[in-house]
Amino acid sequence: DIQMTQSPSSVSASVGDRVTITCRASQGISTWLAWYQQKPGKAPKLLISAASRLEIGVPSRFSGSRSGTEFTLTITSLQPEDFATYFCQQANTFPITFGQGTRLEIK
Amino acid sequence: EVQLVESGGGLVQPGGSLRLSCITSGFPFTTYAMGWVRQAPGKGLEWVSVIRGSSGGTYYADSVKGRFTISRDNSKNTLYLQMNSLRAEDAAIYYCAKDRDYGLGSLFFDYWGQGTLVTVSS
Repeated sequence: DIQMTQSPSSVSASVGDRVTITCRASQGISTWLAWYQQKPGKAPKLLISAASRLEIGVPSRFSGSRSGTEFTLTITSLQPEDFATYFCQQANTFPITFGQGTRLEIK
Repeated sequence: EVQLVESGGGLVQPGGSLRLSCITSGFPFTTYAMGWVRQAPGKGLEWVSVIRGSSGGTYYADSVKGRFTISRDNSKNTLYLQMNSLRAEDAAIYYCAKDRDYGLGSLFFDYWGQGTLVTVSS
């Protein structure tokens, strides 16, 4: 199985800050990676697919990038509504696997 | 508007069975792969199963293989998850989710239901 190691597990930041969340795949997955945002009591929301493709309706302050097997979600100029938990997911190979999640908290 | 509405969750004893349903609307159900993802309380996301749209091919996490069966009724735009031999570790919110891309799909999930809670306890 492909392991997705996500870091950090939690991060505190302020409105207006820039935050970076990383996901490392245990083997090559090309660009078969997605990022989701989940708020308490809600279903996950797809933010980015194919490593860097911003989904329709997602603010441009969210971006994704890839370097080999390392993937990064960057949120620039944090807004109050961005405080949530973020998950990465690989879709290269079954079983589909998710990262452990990163909880983004208000400082 | 795409909608996915799950039902069928509840309290079941260890070893028991449940059948989850996910009624969909707002997109051509037949042409999209669909999946189930679960989340134990306070935990992360765990993929459970996927069924392809056209071929109906099915895939399962090892943790549920042989106990759970995913199926779809394209005439009713409905996805199912039959869960047998339930264990305490199967307790979770179960989400159905739609593949972002039609046909073979991408296994990225762009629409999710609200989730249905499964509790396994004696």
